[in-house]
Amino acid sequence: DQQVKQNSPSLSVQEGRISILNCDYTNSMFDYFLWYKKYPAEGPTFLISISSIKDKNEDGRFTVFLNKSAKHLSLHIVPSQPGDSAVYFCAASDSGTSYGKLTFGQGTILTVHP
Amino acid sequence: GAVVSQHPSWVICKSGTSVKIECRSLDFQATTMFWYRQFPKQSLMLMATSNEGSKATYEQGVEKDKFLINHASLTLSTLTVTSAHPEDSSFYICSAATYNRGFGETQYFGPGTRLLVL
Repeated sequence: DQQVKQNSPSLSVQEGRISILNCDYTNSMFDYFLWYKKYPAEGPTFLISISSIKDKNEDGRFTVFLNKSAKHLSLHIVPSQPGDSAVYFCAASDSGTSYGKLTFGQGTILTVHP
Repeated sequence: GAVVSQHPSWVICKSGTSVKIECRSLDFQATTMFWYRQFPKQSLMLMATSNEGSKATYEQGVEKDKFLINHASLTLSTLTVTSAHPEDSSFYICSAATYNRGFGETQYFGPGTRLLVL
């Protein structure tokens, strides 16, 4: 049962353009969402997070949007840079029953072309 | 801030031996640490949740007698793969959780340990 889904296995974007990475979830108890960036053979790096009481959180070039009614979140990267090329994972947690435990999506490989 | 280290970064061992992996939070205290494994081209799979001073909570399908977890202090958790076999070869990643004010508990990940069992 895949509770967090990233339906696009890969995304290719031109440098300077916007990258939009999508994530859907099924568990309505999830109330905290995070995005991680991962390079091969390295641990994930925390990028940005959002609580379910918000619908948008921005940090520099990264913005996360949350649509609770649609159980959908997205990560926008503007402008995209070649160094952003990596695997991006979205993750969700339910702080009420399993505090801190994350459920990860399958990941999306982002490639930013110069 | 929020740096997590893992040691060793890679290890090759013979089948039947035990391997210990250390996970340390360097600049913060973590009451909860997590252990994941990742197979090639797959997502991170949670193995167990480790709380300081208490027994680890294992996910379904993870053998607690094979993957021994010790969380001796607020900055150190260890995973020991006992009697390792080739099918245990994987990328093991730990994370340490700390509270992000206004948001919630955020996990920061170590760089991972590549285990190859021959």
